[in-house]
Formats: sequence, structure tokens, C-alpha cells
Amino acid sequence: AQSVTQPDIHITVSEGASLELRCNYSYGATPYLFWYVQSPGQGLQLLLKYFSGDTLVQGIKGFEAEFKRSQSSFNLRKPSVHWSDAAEYFCAVGAKGNTGNQFYFGTGTSLTVIP
Amino acid sequence: DAGITQSPRHKVTETGTPVTLRCHQTENHRYMYWYRQDPGHGLRLIHYSYGVKDTDKGEVSDGYSVSRSKTEDFLLTLESATSSQTSVYFCAISIQVSYEQYFGPGTRLTVT
Repeated sequence: AQSVTQPDIHITVSEGASLELRCNYSYGATPYLFWYVQSPGQGLQLLLKYFSGDTLVQGIKGFEAEFKRSQSSFNLRKPSVHWSDAAEYFCAVGAKGNTGNQFYFGTGTSLTVIP
Repeated sequence: DAGITQSPRHKVTETGTPVTLRCHQTENHRYMYWYRQDPGHGLRLIHYSYGVKDTDKGEVSDGYSVSRSKTEDFLLTLESATSSQTSVYFCAISIQVSYEQYFGPGTRLTVT
């Protein structure tokens, strides 16, 4: 069965430090890949997406993600974290399968930024 | 931002009463979804729609029904609200099931 795994439930980083949030998926073919951010009390906002082509994808708010087929991963990165980046981050996978198209969310990673 | 609104944004209701939440989109997207979000459970799909009058169940559909009489509107109804349905409800839309979803601002529902 297809699945999306975010191994880190919670991450704490210092402001100005680099950030990497992990996402692994289980799917036979190359899926569509997404990262969302949810600030407290808000809905989910799309940060970036990967459909095909260049495996390094740039998104909004200075985020980027890299698709690594060999590792079935799509990790989110930011070189220098700002206090306003504190939020919940969700990885998602869109998949085309024999039983139809589907969409899966990971369980999320909560990011705390300390001054 | 995608044109998605949800109403009401906050609601407090009593156990046993019916509740209807509304999602309205201006994007003309075919697919619409209702999720609930609870601490420790992430996002869970309640129902989704793949066209006018075409709906299907998600993983947590018990106690919920939906209707879609127009492309732009997707209603979620709790026939008889229970305290376990206290949650934040999000509507989302997409062009295709496997494509990115765009989310509304959410409705916080409290059942007392």
C-alpha cells in the first residue's frame, strides 16, 4: 500500500540555523510530491511541488526540496530558518495507480524555532 | 491564494443537534474534499466529491454526510453531533485527485 512517512514528529532549531525535514514515500512509480506548511490557526499552504524534471525544486518562503528516487525521499530544506517558520509541515504524495488516482498526507512535523 | 471560503469559521453546538458546514470555491475545480484535523491524528479524509452529485467516503465518514449540488459548493452535515466530532474541519479542492490540493481556512467546531 502507498504511504507517506515523516519520521520526525517534532524538530527544534535555532533561528538562523539550517533546516531539513524528512519525507519518505512508498510507491511503485514516481509520484507527484508536495510540501505544505500550516501556521497555528491557519489552513495548509502549498510550499512547493514536484511533478517531473529537475529533482531540486524551489518553493515559496525560501524553501527547497530534493527528490531522490533511489531513497524514495523528498526532503524539505531551508538554509537559514526565521522565527516565522515555526509551524507544522506536511509532506504529501499524489499517485496514479491501477485502482485510480490517490492523494496521501504524512502525519506532519512540528517545527519550533528558538531565538 | 485559491478562492476557497468556509462557513461558519467557528461554531459551538450541543450534542444531538444537526450541523452543516459549507465550503465554497471560485476556482471551478472538479474535486472537493472534507478533512478533519485532530491532535495526534493529522489530516483525515471524511468525504470527497468528484463532480456535481458525485461523492464518495473517506476513511472517517461515519456520522457525516455530504452534498454537492453545484460545482462551487460542498456541504458537510453532521446528522446528530457528538462530542467526538469536536475538531477543526478543512475543505480542500484540486483539479485532479493526484494533483496538489488547496485548502480553505478551516472551521473550528465544538460539540458540548
